[in-house]
Formats: sequence, structure tokens, C-alpha cells
Amino acid sequence: GAVVSQHPSWVICKSGTSVKIECRSLDFQATTMFWYRQFPKQSLMLMATSNEGSKATYEQGVEKDKFLINHASLTLSTLTVTSAHPEDSSFYICSALVWDYEQYFGPGTRLTVT
Amino acid sequence: QKEVEQNSGPLSVPEGAIASLNCTYSDRGSQSFFWYRQYSGKSPELIMFIYSNGDKEDGRFTAQLNKASQYVSLLIRDSQPSDSATYLCAVNRNTGNQFYFGTGTSLTVIP
Repeated sequence: GAVVSQHPSWVICKSGTSVKIECRSLDFQATTMFWYRQFPKQSLMLMATSNEGSKATYEQGVEKDKFLINHASLTLSTLTVTSAHPEDSSFYICSALVWDYEQYFGPGTRLTVT
Repeated sequence: QKEVEQNSGPLSVPEGAIASLNCTYSDRGSQSFFWYRQYSGKSPELIMFIYSNGDKEDGRFTAQLNKASQYVSLLIRDSQPSDSATYLCAVNRNTGNQFYFGTGTSLTVIP
């Protein structure tokens, strides 16, 4: 299967700071990537769809000014959590679309805001 | 009505038994169907996908699709304790980026 990486795998930051998470497709080009958030023992929640070269499409209720997504190349999408607060602590997972049908997930980034 | 529904479980089966996981979807226009496995604290891993009615087998896993009844299932034969995880069903309506995930079924395989 296709390989998607994320960096960092975990991060701790102080309240009010910003954190950038990178998502890379390692062995394929991904026109479309997705960003999810998952709280403990809860299901995946789609935050936004990221298309290379265009603005991301955010799901209802997700603040686009707080969660900045950039998909500047066919192998890299970034999610920046701006002015992070403790309630933003979560497991952030990206995924990439292959052949327009199959979705492969990165290993996730665990964010803790203190 | 949710796009994709799964029984949250937990489902417990003894080691060596067949585990049967079910998923229903609401949109008849759905084109492709996926099963993901998610271990606790990890991201989902794609284990099978199916596009056509019928069965698709891959090792100990069999995906079954019935578009007329709008359900897709996953059978795990000879279940192992390492199969203990949450299994997510996902449906793609069309080519492109409209994916819908179920909330997952928790499976425990008892040694």
C-alpha cells in the first residue's frame, strides 16, 4: 500500500503557541489529502480536505483561521494549529487519496497543549 | 440517518473463531467500500476494499458487498488476539473525496 508519513509523531506545546504538523506522501503524488482529529475513545472527525494548489475545504464547525492548511506540493500538506489551547489537545491524523478511491492514513500526531 | 452505521460492539470472539463485522450505508450511489483496522492509540490501517457485489478474499479476511441491501461486511477467519482492534467501515460515494466513516466496531479476540 501507499505510505504516508507525519511529523512530528507527538508534540507538547504551551497554550497560545502555534504548532505545525507535516503530512507527506512518500511513494506517490497526492492531489488530495485529508486532515482528521480523534479524541480518546471517539470516532474520526474529518476536519478538512486539502487539494494541492487550492484552498482547503473545511468541515462545518472547524475554524479555518485556527487550523491553517497548506497543500503546496503533491507530496506535502501541512496543518498549523494557531494559538493552541488545551482543548485542542488531540490525535491529528492525515490521509492521502490514491487513484481517487483509496485513502491511506499517516501514523498520526499526538498534540498536547499545556 | 447516518451515512454509515456500524454496531459499536464490543464484539468478543474466542481465538480461532470467525469474527463477523457488519456495516450499512444509506446512499445507493456509493461506489466503493473500505475496511480499516485501528489499534488503540494508532491511526487506521486499510485492510480491504471492495467495489463489486459479492465476496472478496484476502488471506483470513473476506469482504462481502450487497448493494441491493446496502450492506458490507468483513469476516475474519481463524481470529487471533492480534486482531483485537476497532474496525472502521468507510464508504466512498463517487470518485474523489466524499468519504464517510462509521463509528467503528470494537473487536476483542479472547485467547
